[in-house]
Amino acid sequence: GENVEQHPSTLSVQEGDSAVIKCTYSDSASNYFPWYKQELGKGPQLIIDIRSNVGEKKDQRIAVTLNKTAKHFSLHITETQPEDSAVYFCAASIVDSGYALNFGKGTSLLVTP
Amino acid sequence: KAGVTQTPRYLIKTRGQQVTLSCSPISGHRSVSWYQQTPGQGLQFLFEYFSETQRNKGNFPGRFSGRQFSNSRSEMNVSTLELGDSALYLCASSLLPSLYYEQYFGPGTRLTVT
Repeated sequence: GENVEQHPSTLSVQEGDSAVIKCTYSDSASNYFPWYKQELGKGPQLIIDIRSNVGEKKDQRIAVTLNKTAKHFSLHITETQPEDSAVYFCAASIVDSGYALNFGKGTSLLVTP
Repeated sequence: KAGVTQTPRYLIKTRGQQVTLSCSPISGHRSVSWYQQTPGQGLQFLFEYFSETQRNKGNFPGRFSGRQFSNSRSEMNVSTLELGDSALYLCASSLLPSLYYEQYFGPGTRLTVT
């Protein structure tokens, strides 16, 4: 089955700096790569996703890049703010497989003022 | 629009007992998925339901089961509880069972097995 690895497990940055989280996946058939943000006491929330026919996608301060050849994708957050502090999860799946998302273990991001 | 509702929010059970968790999806959403979240294993897919039918099942023992009702509400059951079943159980709903539709997660049910 699909195996998703995520690094780093913890990340501390100063407000205004950029944060990068990287994930690799094993199943070359995976074609959907979402990123979720989970705040304390809440369920994960989708923040951005990318499909295999796209190499990069941006939404304001958040961007995701995908390298299908190398089987890795990354989340980039620019101009970080304290409210970006949360746990971020990457996931990989096959679009037609339904919602059987395979998640990475998560990255705990702390943005200090 | 109300979000995904999960009840109860917290639960303490004893090893060997069984437990039933409930999930009410967002109004109009017909697909419901369940995930187990633990510090060691992270988020793991349990199963997915659509139109009262289980479409996908993750790699969990048969002690974990679920069902979906005609109003799209879903329940999951864990029988013969083990200490390792202590986890946050998350329910998520989407309009249809396709990754073209965003999946919305509930706040979870925190299950502690003693």
